[in-house]
Amino acid sequence: DAGVIQSPRHEVTEMGQEVTLRCKPISGHDYLFWYRQTMMRGLELLIYFNNNVPIDDSGMPEDRFSAKMPNASFSTLKIQPSEPRDSAVYFCASSEGYTNTEAFFGQGTRLTVV
Amino acid sequence: RKEVEQDPGPFNVPEGATVAFNCTYSNSASQSFFWYRQDCRKEPKLLMSVYSSGNEDGRFTAQLNRASQYISLLIRDSKLSDSATYLCVGISGAGSYQLTFGKGTKLSVIP
Repeated sequence: DAGVIQSPRHEVTEMGQEVTLRCKPISGHDYLFWYRQTMMRGLELLIYFNNNVPIDDSGMPEDRFSAKMPNASFSTLKIQPSEPRDSAVYFCASSEGYTNTEAFFGQGTRLTVV
Repeated sequence: RKEVEQDPGPFNVPEGATVAFNCTYSNSASQSFFWYRQDCRKEPKLLMSVYSSGNEDGRFTAQLNRASQYISLLIRDSKLSDSATYLCVGISGAGSYQLTFGKGTKLSVIP
């Protein structure tokens, strides 16, 4: 398996524009996580899915953020409208689940909003 | 207060030194713990799991103290390649599978 695949790797956009980040989890993994990483706040869990169903979205900062998982092999994180404070590295991770299994991360999307 | 807290460092140690990191957690329902390693501008990767009985993998030893709610990582005979940020992670129990990361401790091993 190629691992968790995220796209794009880098995104530079203007304030107010819509941004869509994409993630393909490892086949067979039931859990998918979206994280945001900044120097100030570290890795923050935004939302996670189990079997394509959102389980906990309490980490989503505002209504400007939304995430979907239409099927087991694809998820999106959308920011509309984007703001400069959204600049961060966004990671997607997947896991088989249960409490003792490893979460595998994608390479991340580095988002810069100017 | 963040659920998982770590000393951010940086820890600057010479090659061959022994270095220890601690991590405290506030959620007593957390069931499983891990140490992840993150290299500069890369994604986090699992380093090792943490068990109450302690576990060792080569130069690395991880320990969990449930009574005091802390996790430790000991690195012996530090190598230059150990330079990275080390993140401790807790997984909540009780029907939730939420991985909560600490902010990480940065280690620099100096020649």
